[in-house]
Amino acid sequence: AQKITQTQPGMFVQEKEAVTLDCTYDTSDPSYGLFWYKQPSSGEMIFLIYQGSYDQQNATEGRYSLNFQKARKSANLVISASQLGDSAMYFCAMREATTGTASKLTFGTGTRLQVTL
Amino acid sequence: DSGVTQTPKHLITATGQRVTLRCSPRSGDLSVYWYQQSLDQGLQFLIQYYNGEERAKGNILERFSAQQFPDLHSELNLSSLELGDSALYFCASSVRLAGDILDEQFFGPGTRLTVL
Repeated sequence: AQKITQTQPGMFVQEKEAVTLDCTYDTSDPSYGLFWYKQPSSGEMIFLIYQGSYDQQNATEGRYSLNFQKARKSANLVISASQLGDSAMYFCAMREATTGTASKLTFGTGTRLQVTL
Repeated sequence: DSGVTQTPKHLITATGQRVTLRCSPRSGDLSVYWYQQSLDQGLQFLIQYYNGEERAKGNILERFSAQQFPDLHSELNLSSLELGDSALYFCASSVRLAGDILDEQFFGPGTRLTVL
């Protein structure tokens, strides 16, 4: 079963508008972290924001906020006041609690966001 | 700039060959992770090293191997290359303290491997 599901292969948004990129996850672990990364056309992976499963408040980082709904197992990324430079591929990822120092991220398939004038 | 460096940036080689990808983590980071991004498989975790020791293994082929050296840099060795190995290979690093749930991973710029 898919652990991270991003159902929107592509999204368009007008400059200065807000956009929500969807992410649902599947885990039986009570302790986990959710991450969003941005991948511009140049290829690098840029960390944007994270949310811990025990966090009571939604994470925010500048124009990025994470709409975390634990019961629905969703962690949607909200970008406010979109800019042309936000055009990129966006990946949702999860890390489940592991013992000791073992760790890995499981990624979704990504959503390509295009910001238009 | 994440502080993680990867060399080379691009690599073109032929089927059957062997290549080595190199990664230097951020200063102070003890964990190194390797990921493969291909069109058909998406972003997949390959392997993790922590302070020189292998800690977690993902969908890494037997033709692939990795190691982390005492200075914490890591190398990913890919051998008997096939056309399907063409992909973007990322290295990421984190501090990864034991018990740290929100261990942020910082990615390098990637090495784009093309197998002809």
